[in-house]
Order: sequence, then C-alpha cells, then structure tokens
Amino acid sequence: GQQLNQSPQSMFIQEGEDVSMNCTSSSIFNTWLWYKQEPGEGPVLLIALYKAGELTSNGRLTAQFGITRKDSFLNISASIPSDVGIYFCQVAGSYQLTFGKGTKLSVIP
Amino acid sequence: EAQVTQNPRYLITVTGKKLTVTCSQNMNHEYMSWYRQDPGLGLRQIYYSMNVEVTDKGDVPEGYKVSRKEKRNFPLILESPSPNQTSLYFCASSPIGGGDNEQFFGPGTRLTVL
Repeated sequence: GQQLNQSPQSMFIQEGEDVSMNCTSSSIFNTWLWYKQEPGEGPVLLIALYKAGELTSNGRLTAQFGITRKDSFLNISASIPSDVGIYFCQVAGSYQLTFGKGTKLSVIP
Repeated sequence: EAQVTQNPRYLITVTGKKLTVTCSQNMNHEYMSWYRQDPGLGLRQIYYSMNVEVTDKGDVPEGYKVSRKEKRNFPLILESPSPNQTSLYFCASSPIGGGDNEQFFGPGTRLTVL
C-alpha cells in the first residue's frame, strides 16, 4: 500500500493555542480525508478534501489539500480540552485505504 | 440508529485457538473493511470487501481471513492466533468503495493473545 508521512507524531499544547499537523506522500491523490479518534472510540471523519488547493473549514478546524496533491494540512485554532485525541489523515488507491500513523494531541488546561 | 457494531469488545485468548470477531452494519453499505491499530503504526488495513462475495487483501492480511456472505456482516477470522496479533481491531463501512467516501468505524475490539 501507499506510505503516508504524518507529523508530528505527538503534541502537548496549552489550552487556547493553535495546532498544525500535516501529511505527505510520494504519490498523487485525488482525495484527502482527516479523522479524529477520541480515547476508547473509533475514528470519526472531520473534513474531506476533494480538490487540489482546496481550503475547507469545520468550526475551529481548517484543512488544506496541497496544490501538488501530495500533501494535506490540518489546523486547529484556539484548542480546548475536548480536542484531545489522535488525528489521522487518509488517502486511497482505488479500494485500498491508507491512513497516516496519527498525531496524538494532548491539551493542557 | 445507524451504526457499525463489533463483538466482542474485549477478548483474551491463547495461541492457536481459533477465534472470530463479528462486524455488522445497518446502513446498507457496500464497502466494509478491517483495520488493526498498534502504537506508533497507526491504522493498517487488513482486508476489505467491495460487496457481497468480493474481498481483497489490504496491507497486513497475513494470519487473517474474512468472508462476506451477506451485505451487513463482515467477520474477521483468526485461524491460529499468535501473540503478534495482539492489537486493537476496527471494522468500518462506507456507502460504496473508493477512498473518497467517509468510513464509519465500529467501537473497536481489543484482542490479547497469550
């Protein structure tokens, strides 16, 4: 399958700070998706990106589909304690899906 | 309620004892898949199914089997579990195949093989 490089692997931030994470690949993809996994739960979709250069927001979350189609970024503004979890990017080569290794976010109140 | 269910949620077993983890979805989704989640390795796809009787290998299929006899069910079978299959397993489904579709995940099954 494809290889996705997701960074950082983990983050410890103060409540109220902004967060930025990214995923890169050596291959081109037509879709990037971002999921969040809360402790003890399965991942849930946050944002889907379908067009190179696209910038999409969902509340305090903003994600961008890189213009090269080989990367994507997720930003969280003004973090709050409930942002804690693991964030995954996902791409697909046909029917086989590949997820990044995840960014574990910890928010210090 | 639209959902993906997995059973059991927790399982401790011994090496070599065959086990099945069930997965069921009530959303009439065509695509279903299994993942394992290990620290530092993220989510890795084990098997996926595009529709009834159509399955294919993901990135880490060794030691696992699946079947898709009905649209709603996609069990994961470990014929002879080994300790390196100790992991957190997730089943997921989506309306159709293809990576641009939202995956709906089950709650996970934590498996320990002694």
